[in-house]
Amino acid sequence: AQSVTQLGSHVSVSEGALVLLRCNYSSSVPPYLFWYVQYPNQGLQLLLKYTTGATLVKGINGFEAEFKKSETSFHLTKPSAHMSDAAEYFCAVRYNDMRFGAGTRLTVKP
Amino acid sequence: DAGVIQSPRHEVTEMGQEVTLRCKPISGHDYLFWYRQTMMRGLELLIYFNNNVPIDDSGMPEDRFSAKMPNASFSTLKIQPSEPRDSAVYFCASSHYRALDTEAFFGQGTRLTVV
Repeated sequence: AQSVTQLGSHVSVSEGALVLLRCNYSSSVPPYLFWYVQYPNQGLQLLLKYTTGATLVKGINGFEAEFKKSETSFHLTKPSAHMSDAAEYFCAVRYNDMRFGAGTRLTVKP
Repeated sequence: DAGVIQSPRHEVTEMGQEVTLRCKPISGHDYLFWYRQTMMRGLELLIYFNNNVPIDDSGMPEDRFSAKMPNASFSTLKIQPSEPRDSAVYFCASSHYRALDTEAFFGQGTRLTVV
């Protein structure tokens, strides 16, 4: 069965600094991988996804992620954090069903 | 399309009462998921349907929980009887499952409080 592990339940960065949120997957078949963002009291919104093709995926709000099969990773990055990026971020893997990691809460300090 | 619609947005009920949560998926989507979100357990998959048929309900915590999808445009999650530990945010999501078109679209959730 597929699963994802997010390293670090909380990440704090300064405004303008690099954001790196880690996700490793476990899947017996080539996975479909996703990053979602959740703002307080809201549902989950898709940031980006990897299905096939290019391994570097660009998403909304300046985020991107790179699928690395050799490392079974799909880390999320953003070159320069903005205050509005403060939220909870979830990595997910799909093979019929969709399973989520535990989430990483991103705090952005002024 | 208006997206995935869940109702109610908030529900407060007394222990022992029956609770029914409702979901209208995006038209044309053939997968529907129910998730529960708590601080302790994160986002748990409870059950999912494909073409209105329950495929995997192994995440349903107890027999007190049941879910139905009588048609392609409606699903319910029922808890009977409810207990305080059921307090959580319940999300419904829908999707396709085909190459390049696999993401799940989430509703706004139902915040359930059992007192």
